[in-house]
Amino acid sequence: GQSLEQPSEVTAVEGAIVQINCTYQTSGFYGLSWYQQHDGGAPTFLSYNALDGLEETGRFSSFLSRSDSYGYLLLQELQMKDSASYFCAVRDAGLTGGGNKLTFGTGTQLKVEL
Amino acid sequence: GAGVSQSPRYKVTKRGQDVALRCDPISGHVSLYWYRQALGQGPEFLTYFNYEAQQDKSGLPNDRFSAERPEGSISTLTIQRTEQRDSAMYRCASSPQQGAYEQYFGPGTRLTVT
Repeated sequence: GQSLEQPSEVTAVEGAIVQINCTYQTSGFYGLSWYQQHDGGAPTFLSYNALDGLEETGRFSSFLSRSDSYGYLLLQELQMKDSASYFCAVRDAGLTGGGNKLTFGTGTQLKVEL
Repeated sequence: GAGVSQSPRYKVTKRGQDVALRCDPISGHVSLYWYRQALGQGPEFLTYFNYEAQQDKSGLPNDRFSAERPEGSISTLTIQRTEQRDSAMYRCASSPQQGAYEQYFGPGTRLTVT
């Protein structure tokens, strides 16, 4: 089966940099995704890594090491609106292949303080 | 354009009743997914479709749960003989093609079984 581990809560101040780690165990690995979810809202896609290395999208970057089964989300220049839950999700082959199945972690609640 | 829509947004039902939850994906999206999300947890995969074909239903908890997408667009998740443990947020997501790594989530249906 699949399992993912990420910290349950992280607190940081506005303007700082924060890193949210994710380790995973899975078979048929295709890639690692990150989603953001504000209280009462729907998960929204942030980033995806299929290959080792860093992907940068504005203030957010995501990193993957397939050999270590490890990834992280890096948030820079934190803003109050970044307070939300962040989920890593493994994309794997599922029953029929094709990489359509997402297995989510339990989420990291980020609190940004003044 | 319009995003993923779900109805009803809230459903309260008595134990033992059947419920049908509807998902209307983004127009033209090939793949459709159903998830269940408990409070404070990540979305839990239930099933997914490519066009009208149900590709993977390994996440459905038991045979009281079923889903269909007869014309490759709107999907219905049906729970028969509901139990209190079925209470959760049920989320639908869609993606433009098979294997696409970005999924677009709907607002969810909050199901409460009394």
